[in-house]
Amino acid sequence: EVRLLQSGGDSVQPGESLRLSCEASGFRFVGVGMHWVRQAPGRGLEWVSSLTGSGLTTSYADSVKGRFIVSRDNSKNTLYLQMNNLRAEDTALYYCAKDAGNMGSYLEYWGRGTQVTVSS
Amino acid sequence: SYVLTQPPSVSVAPGQTARITCGGDNIVTRSVNWYQQKPGQAPVLIIYYDGDRPSGISDRISASNSGNTATLTIHSVEAGDEADYYCQVWEGDFKSWVFGGGTKVAVL
Repeated sequence: EVRLLQSGGDSVQPGESLRLSCEASGFRFVGVGMHWVRQAPGRGLEWVSSLTGSGLTTSYADSVKGRFIVSRDNSKNTLYLQMNNLRAEDTALYYCAKDAGNMGSYLEYWGRGTQVTVSS
Repeated sequence: SYVLTQPPSVSVAPGQTARITCGGDNIVTRSVNWYQQKPGQAPVLIIYYDGDRPSGISDRISASNSGNTATLTIHSVEAGDEADYYCQVWEGDFKSWVFGGGTKVAVL
């Protein structure tokens, strides 16, 4: 059974940092693209970042480029999202999702989400 | 960047057919995926590659893609189909996902 166990969400002040984690199990993590998608309260889905199976290629939404860093530790089957200089508009439920391929196929499994709240 | 346009809401009576559109420039040239999200839950993939259903997804759900519009169809709508539905495509040039704004399906 595929599982994506998310953690790391918290309530922080503007300008602070957080690192989200997404521990995968039930499939061969190496070689599979992984993604972060967020959902602000009452809003739709917004793509945040993607990472190929090798970890060599990353991409970011313009809204987070230069502040967020996506990475993976294939030895720990874990995806990360380092979030720096957080802003109020980053407040959202953050989902990690598994690609069906290396990147850009479809998001076949999703985590349950971890809440990030940025407020002074 | 590429834009996907969905109607904010669709209302349908039980037993009838719900059709949710997803508009995009020449969207027929892209593979469209669809997700269902029920309140308080994570999204679930219901259609991939324009019209394929993952295992476990009801065959009352189907989809098509033509011209500038992709369409998700839910036949014989049930109360349990109430949810938000999102279309999605991959923008390979930018290595990014694009989501439609979502459509809330209300069963009358």
